[in-house]
Amino acid sequence: EDQVTQSPEALRLQEGESSSLNCSYTVSGLRGLFWYRQDPGKGPEFLFTLYSAGEEKEKERLKATLTKKESFLHITAPKPEDSATYLCAVQARSSASKIIFGSGTRLSIRP
Amino acid sequence: DAGVIQSPRHEVTEMGQEVTLRCKPISGHNSLFWYRQTMMRGLELLIYFNNNVPIDDSGMPEDRFSAKMPNASFSTLKIQPSEPRDSAVYFCASSLQSIADTQYFGPGTRLTVL
Repeated sequence: EDQVTQSPEALRLQEGESSSLNCSYTVSGLRGLFWYRQDPGKGPEFLFTLYSAGEEKEKERLKATLTKKESFLHITAPKPEDSATYLCAVQARSSASKIIFGSGTRLSIRP
Repeated sequence: DAGVIQSPRHEVTEMGQEVTLRCKPISGHNSLFWYRQTMMRGLELLIYFNNNVPIDDSGMPEDRFSAKMPNASFSTLKIQPSEPRDSAVYFCASSLQSIADTQYFGPGTRLTVL
């Protein structure tokens, strides 16, 4: 069964304190892995898509990386406005019409 | 572009009533998705339309749920009869071509069934 697990559930950091969020997946052939950001009371907002192991993508203070079993979202010198829930999702080759979301990591940055 | 538009933003109803949620996707997008988000189960894909045709509805929880897309600019998700366990935030999203493309989410409809 395809599965996506995110850790930690919640993370509190001081402004400027870098860290990483983890997304572990078990799928029958990865077609794509997606990262989204969700602010309270809003819909998820797309950040990145990764397709193959070794791929990396960056946007401002965020960098996403991918291996054959997991993805990391690295956040460098975060600011309070980076506080949000970060969601990971996967699309498997075995079920191309489905997308499975993880439960998310709730990130809080203290000024 | 106005983005994905959903209505109503909030809906409170009583058990047994029919509920209809509405969605207008981004113009030019060929795929539309309905999701449900709860604390217990997270974000779940309910149904996926491509070119107005349902491609995968295996996420629809029960026969009480139905979705239609009569044209490229409008979709509905109906629950009849509604139950308290249907309480959740329902999101509509659209993408340019397929489920593999970037999805743009609407603001969601918060449904409370009493």
